[in-house]
Amino acid sequence: QSALTQPRSVSGSPGQSVTISCTGTSSDIGGYNFVSWYQQHPGTAPKLMIYDVTKRPSGVPDRFSGSKSGNTASLTISGLQAEDEADYYCCSNAGSYTAWVFGGGTKLTVL
Amino acid sequence: QLQLQESGPGLVKPSETLSLTCTVSGDSVTSATFYWGWIRQPPGEGLEWIGSIYYSGNTYYNPSLKSRVTISVDTSKDQFSLKMTSVTAADTAVYYCARHRLGGSSRWFDPWGQGTLVTVSS
Repeated sequence: QSALTQPRSVSGSPGQSVTISCTGTSSDIGGYNFVSWYQQHPGTAPKLMIYDVTKRPSGVPDRFSGSKSGNTASLTISGLQAEDEADYYCCSNAGSYTAWVFGGGTKLTVL
Repeated sequence: QLQLQESGPGLVKPSETLSLTCTVSGDSVTSATFYWGWIRQPPGEGLEWIGSIYYSGNTYYNPSLKSRVTISVDTSKDQFSLKMTSVTAADTAVYYCARHRLGGSSRWFDPWGQGTLVTVSS
């Protein structure tokens, strides 16, 4: 299984919206509706932000939303805030219901 | 509140075995629909799933690591453990444990432990 493909970096100004893409294949993202997204600030553990493509855990602001089209999943952050600056990772089932693969990560910079 | 805490040696010699334990508090490893997983992150790099275990002992492993990895569970202590044999410098990473939802129609990793850095060096 190969890592999912994410852009190395994205940026946006406060109040703007940004979208982070996560591209896989029909064996992972395209084959299952189990894409999740994680936010990681420097030196801390990842935090679940989106699961099952579009669902948001309790406590996560509704500025965060997820979607999927074909083999590509996306995380959209609207109304950017300074605290959103972090690394973001996507994750998906891969090849079967029993294997999991992450993306390489995207560094979000809030200008 | 569920918390996970990794523990184990921070330095392992090449060709030796890496051993880590994750202690679960605020819940039990016997919770239905939840597996318990290990994920690692080499310095400055992305995340890699290592494997996950159910309290019954059923395990799933990353195919690329399967030959070197064993994950076990101790329900009496609410702990699960990772053993990785024949380590090299490429296994240097922060190792995280996490609750892994694998039941029903939902899949995710949450929460995560704080992580522990394991360095492979002589």
